[in-house]
Amino acid sequence: DAGITQSPRYKITETGRQVTLMCHQTWSHSYMFWYRQDLGHGLRLIYYSAAADITDKGEVPDGYVVSRSKTENFPLTLESATRSQTSVYFCASGRRSGEQFFGPGTRLTVL
Amino acid sequence: GQSLEQPSEVTAVEGAIVQINCTYQTSGFYGLSWYQQHDGGAPTFLSYNALDGLEETGRFSSFLSRSDSYGYLLLQELQMKDSASYFCAVRDLKDDKIIFGKGTRLHILP
Repeated sequence: DAGITQSPRYKITETGRQVTLMCHQTWSHSYMFWYRQDLGHGLRLIYYSAAADITDKGEVPDGYVVSRSKTENFPLTLESATRSQTSVYFCASGRRSGEQFFGPGTRLTVL
Repeated sequence: GQSLEQPSEVTAVEGAIVQINCTYQTSGFYGLSWYQQHDGGAPTFLSYNALDGLEETGRFSSFLSRSDSYGYLLLQELQMKDSASYFCAVRDLKDDKIIFGKGTRLHILP
């Protein structure tokens, strides 16, 4: 089915572990984005990608790594998870216009 | 730096009209977007203003005035299902980054 999917939907991990959140879109949108959403902060951009093999930092990139070897996939890795990274993570895709399509989100808890 | 300001909460009555404002400080941007998010859900796109003026999509309208650094989302004929959070967002012209406001929680009374 066409759309944007994220996996896992829920994840519990421990401090110091590496975690990868997956994002896959079927629209062939050139732009993909990762956001985190926390109470009181709204949506904050972590990383974005304008095309395959092109990525750039957003507002809060520290502690995260991204890659984009294929247009449809944009995984986000927490290299060594910390409690402050407990959050809801949204992936989105879109064209150069202001319209973005969001995935269902991943709720991550770091113990 | 860039920042977007929205009221944190707005309350309105079912059937009425409500306006959610968004003021911003940025050196330049492509346009102003609006998103709706229900509790536990993902943001969904509502509208995009690339140019000054009013854009209408059904019960929802969005307005942009670059000279006033101001935009708003207008919701008409409010329904209970419109109870949600609403976010404005801009894409910065210089570095292509996207900034979201912190969101406005809309409460609708029967």
